[in-house]
Amino acid sequence: DAGVIQSPRHEVTEMGQEVTLRCKPISGHNSLFWYRQTMMRGLELLIYFNNNVPIDDSGMPEDRFSAKMPNASFSTLKIQPSEPRDSAVYFCASRRKRRSGSDEQFFGPGTRLTVL
Amino acid sequence: GDSVTQMEGPVTLSEEAFLTINCTYTATGYPSLFWYVQYPGEGLQLLLKATKADDKGSNKGFEATYRKETTSFHLEKGSVQVSDSAVYFCALSDGNKLVFGAGTILRVKS
Repeated sequence: DAGVIQSPRHEVTEMGQEVTLRCKPISGHNSLFWYRQTMMRGLELLIYFNNNVPIDDSGMPEDRFSAKMPNASFSTLKIQPSEPRDSAVYFCASRRKRRSGSDEQFFGPGTRLTVL
Repeated sequence: GDSVTQMEGPVTLSEEAFLTINCTYTATGYPSLFWYVQYPGEGLQLLLKATKADDKGSNKGFEATYRKETTSFHLEKGSVQVSDSAVYFCALSDGNKLVFGAGTILRVKS
């Protein structure tokens, strides 16, 4: 199993540019999560999907952020326009949601975003 | 809302020392509890978990017991190694999403 795949691993861009982060969840998983990690705020949940449907986007910081999941094997997180305070590591995680039992999430390696 | 509080770090230990990282939680229901570990430059990996009161999760010499009466899930290891140096996150799940603590940096010196 390849695990959760994220691309790019590193992204450096200038303020005002559009940034798109990509995630491929583990095959067979039906929930997908986007997190942001910074020194100041720790690990924050931005949004999560069940069966490709956004369930909770209350963590999305503002309208500049948007996320999509067009199918079960692909999701994007877009920032437009980007700002220096968006600099962080962005993680994607996936899970096979069951009716009962534990609900372990599997994390990707993250995308380190730097906005100059 | 649900929350997780874990001891602040960094925690610095010598190799073979005993490790405890405290974690307490606040939840309205009966959450599952997790410890995740993050090595430098990597994503989080599940270390261990417990799904109900008095369950003990264990993995790679690490243990944690789900204590409902004290709402705690402290992480312990009897003898740490340099390779255990990482950031450790306590988390709870309400069945939908994970709520993480702030993370505790562990540094083990040889």
